[in-house]
Amino acid sequence: DIQMTQSPSTLSASVGDRVTITCRASQSISSWLAWYQQKPGKAPKSLIYKASSSESGVPSRFSGSGSATEFTLTISSLQPDDFATYYCQQYNSYPWTFGQGTKVEIK
Amino acid sequence: EVQLVESGGGVVRPGGSLRLFCAASGFTFDDYGMSWVRQAPGKGLEWVSGINWNGGSTGYADSVKGRFTISRDNAKNSLYLQMNSLTAEDTALYHCARGNSNFDYWGQGTLVTVSS
Repeated sequence: DIQMTQSPSTLSASVGDRVTITCRASQSISSWLAWYQQKPGKAPKSLIYKASSSESGVPSRFSGSGSATEFTLTISSLQPDDFATYYCQQYNSYPWTFGQGTKVEIK
Repeated sequence: EVQLVESGGGVVRPGGSLRLFCAASGFTFDDYGMSWVRQAPGKGLEWVSGINWNGGSTGYADSVKGRFTISRDNAKNSLYLQMNSLTAEDTALYHCARGNSNFDYWGQGTLVTVSS
């Protein structure tokens, strides 16, 4: 199985900060990577697919980049609504696997 | 508006069975593959199973292979997950999600608790 490792596990930041979350795959997954946002008690929300394509309606401050084994999710200017847990997911080969999550907290 | 509403969860004894349901609306159901993704209490996300648009192709996580069966009824816009031989490790919130690879819409989930 492909292992997905996110860093950091927890991130403390302030409103307006630029935030970067890294996701590393244990082997190449080309660009078959998605990012999700989850708030407590809520269903995950899709942000990014195919490493850098934004879902409809996702604010432009969210962007994804990377390929092969290293990927990043960047929030250009953190907003109050962005405090949440973020997960990456590979869909290059079965079984699809998720990173362990990165919790973005208020500093 | 896309809506996915799960039901069928509950408390079950180890070794027991449950059948989960997902009612889909707001999109053409048989245009999409569908999946189940679970989340144990306080833990991360784990893909469980997926099915293509017509039910002709399915996939399972190793942890549930041989015990769980995914199916769909396109006439009823419904997705199912039959879960047998349940163990405590299957305790989780089970989300229905649209897509068979990445998941663009998710339901709120139905809670399955396996406990004696």
